[in-house]
Parts: sequence; structure tokens; C-alpha cells
Amino acid sequence: DIQMTQSPSSLSASVGDRVTITCRASQGLSDYLAWFQQKPGNAPKCLIYAASRLQSGVPSRFSGSGSGSDFTLTISSLQPEDFATYYCQQYNNYPYTFGQGTKLEIK
Amino acid sequence: QVQLQESGPGLVKPSGTLSLTCDVSGGSISNSNWWSWVRQPPGKGLEWIGEIYHTGSTNYNPSLKSRVTISVDKSKNQFSLKLTSVTAADTAVYYCARFRSTGEGFDLWGQGTMVTASS
Repeated sequence: DIQMTQSPSSLSASVGDRVTITCRASQGLSDYLAWFQQKPGNAPKCLIYAASRLQSGVPSRFSGSGSGSDFTLTISSLQPEDFATYYCQQYNNYPYTFGQGTKLEIK
Repeated sequence: QVQLQESGPGLVKPSGTLSLTCDVSGGSISNSNWWSWVRQPPGKGLEWIGEIYHTGSTNYNPSLKSRVTISVDKSKNQFSLKLTSVTAADTAVYYCARFRSTGEGFDLWGQGTMVTASS
């Protein structure tokens, strides 16, 4: 299985901050990498697919970059509704696997 | 607009079989997508269980493969999950999700259903 390692595991930030979350894969993925946002009690919501493509309806303050085995999710200016847990996920190889999550909290 | 809705018992006895169904509404299950099950134990991360195509072709997570069956019923526009020999470790929220073959990944999820394995 491909192991996905996110850092940090948790992060405190303020509204308006620029935030970056990283995801490292145990082997190369090309660009078959997605980012999800999950709020308590809700299903995950896909923000980014193919490493850098924004899902329809997702605000442009979210962006993704990277290829191979190192990827980043950036939120350019945090909004109150962005405080949530974020997961990366690879879909280059079966079984599909997720990172352990990054909890983004209000400072 | 396509929507997914999970249904099934919320309580399963240990050693029993977990059975869930995902209803696909607003679109055909026979479109060029894969249909997955993903689970999340309380307070923990996400685990992909497996997927099915409308032709019946499946892929499973090897960690669960011996206990999992995913099937599709095109006449009802739904797909299903069966997990046998359930233990407390299978207690989780179970989600169904659509994986777009056109490259957009997991773009649509059901709301999830909590299943508890307990006597």
C-alpha cells in the first residue's frame, strides 16, 4: 500500500492567515492526488483533484501543487468556514489510501 | 443533480454481516463512473473499502477483501456493501462515493451512516 503522510497533524491559525499543509507519498503518484475538507458530522468534500485542479464550486483561495511524491494544499486567506480537518488521498494505485488528516483550528 | 444516500441497519452483532445500500438518484449508475465505499471509525481517519463499476467489475482493499462483497443492481440504480464476520473494529461511519472516471476523483459523497458492531 502507498502510505500518505500529512504534516502538520494539527495547526492553529487566524482568520486571514495563509496556511500550507503538506502530504508526502511513500512512492510516486504522478498527479493522482486529491485533497478533502471534512467538518464534524459531515462527509468529506473534495477541494482539489489531479493535485492542482479545483473542484467545481470550491473557492479560489484553495490551491494545490506538487507531483510525484510531495504535494501541498494552500489556503491563501483563511475564512471562518475553513476551520476543519483536511485529508490528502492518492488514487494512483489500489488500494486508494488517505493521509491521517490535518486538523485546522482557530488560534 | 446526482445524490447518494446510504441505508441499512445501524447495529450489527459481532460475527454477523453488515449490509448497506447506496441509492443513486438524479442520474444513472450506468454512467462511466466507479462507485465506492469508504469508512471512518469514530475520531479516526478514512479507509477505502472497495469499488464497483456498473458492469460488475470490482476492486477491494486487500485488508478487507476476504470479508467484503460489493454488488450493483442497475434496475434499482443502487449498489451495496456486505461485510462479514464483523467485530468492534468495524464500527464506523460508512460512506458511499462516486469516483469520476473522467479524472475528477471522488467528487460526490453520501451523508454517511453510522454502523455499530455490538451485542
